[in-house]
Amino acid sequence: QVQLVQSGAEVKKPGSSVKVSCKASGGTFNSYAISWVRQAPGQGLEWMGGIIPLFGTPNYAQKFQGRVTITADESTSTVYMELSSLRSEDTAVYYCAKSPGGLTGRGGMDVWGQGTTVTVSS
Amino acid sequence: DIQMTQSPSSLSASVGDRVTISCRASQSISTFLNWYQQKPGKAPQLLIYAASSLQSGVPSRFSGSGSGTDFTLTISSLHPEDFATYYCQQTYNTPLTFGQGTRLEIK
Repeated sequence: QVQLVQSGAEVKKPGSSVKVSCKASGGTFNSYAISWVRQAPGQGLEWMGGIIPLFGTPNYAQKFQGRVTITADESTSTVYMELSSLRSEDTAVYYCAKSPGGLTGRGGMDVWGQGTTVTVSS
Repeated sequence: DIQMTQSPSSLSASVGDRVTISCRASQSISTFLNWYQQKPGKAPQLLIYAASSLQSGVPSRFSGSGSGTDFTLTISSLHPEDFATYYCQQTYNTPLTFGQGTRLEIK
C-alpha cells in the first residue's frame, strides 16, 4: 500500500518561493495521478493542480497558473510543488493526494500525505 | 469551473441519529462525485467515490447516492467518531472542485 510522505513545515517571506515534496513510500506512482490540495486556516479544500508522473504533463488550476510548478521525479517516486511570489494568503496546509484512475474520472483521492504547513510572514 | 454547493453548512446531531448531507453541482457531472471526511489537524479521508461506491475500509453506515447535479451522503446511525467535516468533490473535469464543507457537531 503506497503511502505519501511530505517534506516538513516551511516559513517564508512574502515574494519568495517554496518547494514541497511528496514521496511515495511502499510502492511507485505507476499510472496514478498526484494532486496538490491546500487548506488555509479554518477554510475548505482547494485543488491547485496535479500530474500523472508516468506522462509528466501537469494540469494547473487557472487561479495558480504562472505561480505554481508541479514536477515529478520517477527515479525517486517523488512529486514536487513549487509556489512562487508568495503572499500572506498562501499561508495554508498543503497536501498531496493520489488518485488511482487519473486526475478526472470515477475515482477519488484515496491516499493523502500528512500535510505540509507553509507560513508566509514578514 | 464547476461549482459545488453543500447543505447544510453545519449540522448538530446525536449519536445514533440518521444524517443526510446534500451536494449540488452547477452542471451535470454524471456520477463523478466523491465524499471525504476530515477531522481537525488531519488529512481528508475518502469515504465514497463515483457517487455511491464505498471506499475499502469505510464502515457500511456511510452511503452515497445521486447522479447529474444532486447528490447525498447518508450516515445511517451516527457513531462518536463520525463528528467531523465532510466535503464533496467533483472529478468530472479540471479544475477539480470541492464543496465548502459541512461541519457535523454533537448535539
